[in-house]
Amino acid sequence: DAMVIQNPRYQVTQFGKPVTLSCSQTLNHNVMYWYQQKSSQAPKLLFHYYDKDFNNEADTPDNFQSRRPNTSFCFLDIRSPGLGDAAMYLCATSRGSGSTDTQYFGPGTRLTVL
Amino acid sequence: SQKIEQNSEALNIQEGKTATLTCNYTNYSPAYLQWYRQDPGRGPVFLLLIRENEKEKRKERLKVTFDTTLKQSLFHITASQPADSATYLCALDIAGNNRKLIWGLGTSLAVNP
Repeated sequence: DAMVIQNPRYQVTQFGKPVTLSCSQTLNHNVMYWYQQKSSQAPKLLFHYYDKDFNNEADTPDNFQSRRPNTSFCFLDIRSPGLGDAAMYLCATSRGSGSTDTQYFGPGTRLTVL
Repeated sequence: SQKIEQNSEALNIQEGKTATLTCNYTNYSPAYLQWYRQDPGRGPVFLLLIRENEKEKRKERLKVTFDTTLKQSLFHITASQPADSATYLCALDIAGNNRKLIWGLGTSLAVNP
């Protein structure tokens, strides 16, 4: 089945140790998003790619970077994770950025920072 | 200031009853509004989309209304089942905002057998 896949599902890292989360999609969608979601909070958009065009949210810390080497894959790099970065990280895709282009989410990666 | 609010308290209902969840917003003019379901430890799953010029949208046991005068959307689940227990998120699609979604915090629904 076409889907959005995130690996790993659970990631434990140490304070300050770089970590990379990955997302792949078989939907051939143009747009890929990275969200951060903390417990009982709304998903917070970090950035998104429309094809190769990168769009960073104004309040996304510099500690967070992203790469999209091809249509199918997108990576979230956290250069120096802090305790406050512990959260669920959600990858989503949409066909385009039109108003009827709903978002398809992966299962998420739960990040723990020790 | 701009706000989007959903029922802050968890909703507990008896199986078979209709669940009604509320999404209110201020100082936005969404062209579209979407509802998603999120299970614990999982990503949101799209349920329904309603346009600003639509009053009501239905899909099986689900119904969404959109009142741009009241700045409110209601999400109904009829003949609720324990399997409907989840968190339901509303998201506003603000035209001209690069089509990014503005998310509510969600309402937790528990359907008791």
